[in-house]
Amino acid sequence: AQSVTQLDSQVPVFEEAPVELRCNYSSSVSVYLFWYVQYPNQGLQLLLKYLSGSTLVKSINGFEAEFNKSQTSFHLRKPSVHISDTAEYFCAVSDQGYQKVTFGTGTKLQVIP
Amino acid sequence: DSGVTQTPKHLITATGQRVTLRCSPRSGDLSVYWYQQSLDQGLQFLIQYYNGEERAKGNILERFSAQQFPDLHSELNLSSLELGDSALYFCASKLDLSGNTIYFGEGSWLTVV
Repeated sequence: AQSVTQLDSQVPVFEEAPVELRCNYSSSVSVYLFWYVQYPNQGLQLLLKYLSGSTLVKSINGFEAEFNKSQTSFHLRKPSVHISDTAEYFCAVSDQGYQKVTFGTGTKLQVIP
Repeated sequence: DSGVTQTPKHLITATGQRVTLRCSPRSGDLSVYWYQQSLDQGLQFLIQYYNGEERAKGNILERFSAQQFPDLHSELNLSSLELGDSALYFCASKLDLSGNTIYFGEGSWLTVV
């Protein structure tokens, strides 16, 4: 069994300020980890993923996430947010053997001008 | 554009009725997932098909059923609809069962009145 916890349902942050969206997971086996973003009125898009190798993964639009196995976390960070980052962000975990993707409940990031 | 096509985009129907949501996966993708996103429960995994066969089942109600056809498109059937079934239903596809990226459609908005 696996589960994902996103503790913050909403995160308001001023433009150009840093942000961290928290994600913790539980699983009895090795996992793949993902962050998806859903912009208003659109479907989910992959933001970044961790499969193996370097524990720090980055997206093309300035987000990064670090896989921390000991803390079972995969927090998403950005040093300076823009208005266009306003969206809902979903953390997800996939069991490497079972292939079922489990999503967190999402965090709404609201960037304030 | 993720390459995953869902129809209809919006649907309004009455309680007790039955609807069918359709999903065409990305070209070449064998695995199809269905998710339900509602305000109170967030994103919930319903069911997964791989190459025509049911692969994994999540929180799918008995009133709901799905199938994947030989051409790999999938349909989600929702019957005896209740007000609480109003939600955004996402289809997603993936190439196979490994840790590849999962691509989401834009969703089908179902409103039950």
